[in-house]
Amino acid sequence: GAVVSQHPSRVICKSGTSVKIECRSLDFQATTMFWYRQFPKQSLMLMATSNEGSKATYEQGVEKDKFLINHASLTLSTLTVTSAHPEDSSFYICSAHDRAVLSYEQYFGPGTRLTVT
Amino acid sequence: AQSVTQLGSHVSVSEGALVLLRCNYSSSVPPYLFWYVQYPNQGLQLLLKYTTGATLVKGINGFEAEFKKSETSFHLTKPSAHMSDAAEYFCAVRAYNNAGNMLTFGGGTRLMVKP
Repeated sequence: GAVVSQHPSRVICKSGTSVKIECRSLDFQATTMFWYRQFPKQSLMLMATSNEGSKATYEQGVEKDKFLINHASLTLSTLTVTSAHPEDSSFYICSAHDRAVLSYEQYFGPGTRLTVT
Repeated sequence: AQSVTQLGSHVSVSEGALVLLRCNYSSSVPPYLFWYVQYPNQGLQLLLKYTTGATLVKGINGFEAEFKKSETSFHLTKPSAHMSDAAEYFCAVRAYNNAGNMLTFGGGTRLMVKP
């Protein structure tokens, strides 16, 4: 089946630093990848949609300059949290859509727990 | 616009009892519907999906869901709960944004299974 990996699974960083999270589709080509943020005991909040080779589309209220997304290939998208602050601490999940599948389901990575101290 | 409502943020059942998790949707186009399960500190795993065809959909781990257009519902059921079913469950519907297709998720339902 379709597998999506994320790296790292957990990261702790100091306030003011930047953190990069990688999302990879391991056995399929993902023309579209999605980045979500999930707060404790809450649903997923879509942050941005990333199409390969083009700029990401951010949801309303998500700061583009703070959450930099790059989708340089059909198997890799990255999310960089710049100048991180404690309020950026959260669980970040990526997902990918297999362009060969017409049902629009998304395959999810295992998530990255970010803690900003 | 598409939206999803999951009735009941918490559902508790005894082991061996019927599991029923409710999902109602709103969609201006023929809906594609999904149920995902999330275990603690993990991503989401697809349980089942409805696109077209048979309205009763069977998924993994003994779960199934029935698409009822007249009721705009896609409730998830399992005849007999197992302790390992304790998790967070999300219903989702295909939606659209400026970037194209996306999923809109419900608020989630936490399933607790008592021994």
